[in-house]
Order: sequence, then structure tokens, then C-alpha cells
Amino acid sequence: EVQLVESGGGSVQPGGSLRLSCSASGFTFSSYWMSWVRQAPGKGLEWVANIKQDGSEKNYVDSVKGRFTISRDNAKNSLYLQMNSLRAEDTAVYYCARIYSSGYYHLLDYWGQGTLVTVSS
Amino acid sequence: EIVLTQSPGTLSLSPGERATLSCRASQSVSSSFLAWHQQKPGQAPRLLMYGTTSRATGIPDRFSGSGSGTDFTLTVSRLEPEDSAVYYCQQYGDSPWTFGQGTKVEIK
Repeated sequence: EVQLVESGGGSVQPGGSLRLSCSASGFTFSSYWMSWVRQAPGKGLEWVANIKQDGSEKNYVDSVKGRFTISRDNAKNSLYLQMNSLRAEDTAVYYCARIYSSGYYHLLDYWGQGTLVTVSS
Repeated sequence: EIVLTQSPGTLSLSPGERATLSCRASQSVSSSFLAWHQQKPGQAPRLLMYGTTSRATGIPDRFSGSGSGTDFTLTVSRLEPEDSAVYYCQQYGDSPWTFGQGTKVEIK
């Protein structure tokens, strides 16, 4: 059974930093692209970042470029999101998600339960 | 980026009724790379449909998808109480991936 468990959320002041983690199990982590998606309170979903199996390719939504860094440790079956220069608008539940790749498309196929990040003074 | 607009915002129906959810894109979605995700209260989203018409693993056949280009539809043929959720369409053909704002389905 695919399991994705996020951790590391919490409250932080504007301008601060936070590192989210996602522990994966039930599949060969090193064989999959992975993603972070967020959901602001009472709002819809927003894709944040993707990372390739070996970490050699990373993609970000414009609003987090230069502030957030996605990374992974395949030996630990873990995905990370380093968030710097946090803003109030970054307040959201952050979901870790697995990406199924067919060769010519990528698809979010499994999601974790999420971890809440609150940016407030 | 591709903007997805879902309608209606909320759908209130009785068990056994048919639900029709719409998702309209601001530009054509590449190769029908359109997915639907279901999110129940307090739970993580779950992949429901992909490639416009394909059901994800374990999704019952009362769920079906259709459409192409800029207009897509998710249909639930006979609503059951457990279908109460918010449904999001998502395009994965162009970067950045984008989601619709969601349609809430309430079961009377």
C-alpha cells in the first residue's frame, strides 16, 4: 500500500524558514517523480514543485521560485521542501504526492494527508 | 497558464440522482491530459479520473469522464452518500499544472 506521511509543519513568522519532510513507503521511491501541492485554508489546490527520480530536474510554480527548494533522499525514501522567506500567502496545508510517469505525461496518483504551515506574526 | 473554471460551485442532490460537474479551460488542454481528484472533508485528495475518461484504481464505474479541448465533464450516474466531497479538475499537459476551484457535491 502506498503511504506518504508529511511532517515539519508549524507556525512561523513572515520571513522565516521551515523544512517539510515526506516519508514514503509501499513503493520503490527512487523510481518515481514526486511533487508538493498546497491548499490555503478554505481554498483550492495549487501545485508547488516537482522533482525527478534522481533529483536532476526540478520545477516550481512562479510564486515560490527562489524561495522554496524541493529535494529528495532516495536512500531514506524521503522528499523535502525547504521554504525560506515565508509570506502570509504561503499559509496552507502542504501535500506530498507521487507522480506516475507514462513516458510522455506525469500524473499525480497518490497523496499524503498533508501538514499545515501557518505564516503569521 | 491554463485557468480551469468549474461549475456549479455547489451541487445538492439526493442519493440515486445523477451529478454532472463541468470544467472549462481557458485554452485547449494538451492531449486531453485532464484529471479529476476527489477530496472528502478532512482527508487528502484522491485521484478519481485521468486522461479525461480513465478511472483510477478502485474507482467504481458510476464515475465517468468526458470532453475534449476546453470543455470537460465528470458524471456520477447514481449518487451514493459516500460521494459527498469536493471535486477538483486538474490539467497536467502544460506547466504549471493547474486546478479548478472545485465543485462541492452535497448529498441530501
